[in-house]
Amino acid sequence: DVKVTQSSRYLVKRTGEKVFLECVQDMDHENMFWYRQDPGLGLRLIYFSYDVKMKEKGDIPEGYSVSREKKERFSLILESASTNQTSMYLCASTGGGHNEKLFFGSGTQLSVL
Amino acid sequence: AQSVAQPEDQVNVAEGNPLTVKCTYSVSGNPYLFWYVQYPNRGLQFLLKYITGDNLVKGSYGFEAEFNKSQTSFHLKKPSALVSDSALYFCAVRDRAGGATNKLIFGTGTLLAVQP
Repeated sequence: DVKVTQSSRYLVKRTGEKVFLECVQDMDHENMFWYRQDPGLGLRLIYFSYDVKMKEKGDIPEGYSVSREKKERFSLILESASTNQTSMYLCASTGGGHNEKLFFGSGTQLSVL
Repeated sequence: AQSVAQPEDQVNVAEGNPLTVKCTYSVSGNPYLFWYVQYPNRGLQFLLKYITGDNLVKGSYGFEAEFNKSQTSFHLKKPSALVSDSALYFCAVRDRAGGATNKLIFGTGTLLAVQP
């Protein structure tokens, strides 16, 4: 089975801190995604990557950046965390093709105090 | 622009009764349609998808969904609900005409509560 692993299940950070969320997949997938999930808003796409060192902005990229130095790893970076970035962050990957399903990690619940 | 709507925040059903979770979509062309489920404190899991062909799609855990092009709907159904089906369900759509970037649009989610 495909495994998408997010490094932390729960994270508590202070306003202004730099935060790294790590995601690793083990199926050699080309495409990787970062979403945030908020009650009543569903999943919103932050950034995605369809190849190593490639990145594309999603719907809500402000305040975030990403890094993909290796195919299996996709990192989400909050340069200066703010309270409105408190959320559940979900990483996903897929092998390509518009009809392919996404494989999700278990999520990281980030609280910014 | 593509969009997807799940008009019900919550659906309540008694165990053993049939269930329906509604989804409507809007895309410029023909859609790929998906349902995902999220159990408490977990990531999303794929349930089923519509690509082409038969409008009735069967998926995991006894769920099925019917693609209705004229009503632009893709409702999720199950003939007999189980308490263990209680979870958050997300509908998602991707326009076939999109580029290589595989962008998927999710609905806001519907919480399914199955009472014993």
